Amino acid sequence: QKEVEQDPGPLSVPEGAIVSLNCTYSNSAFQYFMWYRQYSRKGPELLMYTYSSGNKEDGRFTAQVDKSSKYISLFIRDSQPSDSATYLCAITRAGANNLFFGTGTRLTVIP
Amino acid sequence: DTAVSQTPKYLVTQMGNDKSIKCEQNLGHDTMYWYKQDSKKFLKIMFSYNNKELIINETVPNRFSPKSPDKAHLNLHINSLELGDSAVYFCASSHRRGGNNEQFFGPGTRLTVL
Repeated sequence: QKEVEQDPGPLSVPEGAIVSLNCTYSNSAFQYFMWYRQYSRKGPELLMYTYSSGNKEDGRFTAQVDKSSKYISLFIRDSQPSDSATYLCAITRAGANNLFFGTGTRLTVIP
Repeated sequence: DTAVSQTPKYLVTQMGNDKSIKCEQNLGHDTMYWYKQDSKKFLKIMFSYNNKELIINETVPNRFSPKSPDKAHLNLHINSLELGDSAVYFCASSHRRGGNNEQFFGPGTRLTVL
């Protein structure tokens, strides 16, 4: 079983829609959760970082962690065409030397 | 003033050749990584160095050899290139070993083996 699973999509939404991106993970020891955004032909860039359970909001983006269900989400409100990218979740635990990445969800926001 | 830089950006070569990719970070990080991203966008860790010491060496053919001359540089040398090596290779760096491990990525090197 992979450490983290992510629906690869692709996901297509109209401009202004609320987008929900999700990942599940297998090991309850994971406690650091991140979302990376990767534009076409670019490197991944860190978008959101959360420690343990709860919500974190940054502008139109909200990251949510439910440790009891081992489920993490990224919500994008009022989606824009510039949000079109691949979104990768990444998780790790204290003392780990690397991140475990999901396979990425490709999002297209249609004007 | 790029934080993590890689050269070259594109690399097209024949099977059997030997090639190198260079990576430099100016973030003052002490840990650097090499990832391989296949056509399905899956990011797979290959190697990690902390203060020039190899700390992760995933199941990678020994044709791949990383070298870290100092903690700001991590190069990747590939011998006897094969078709299956075609992918995008990303370098990344982070502030410290373990912990929250927020990683910052370079722009990638797109390797095509003909």
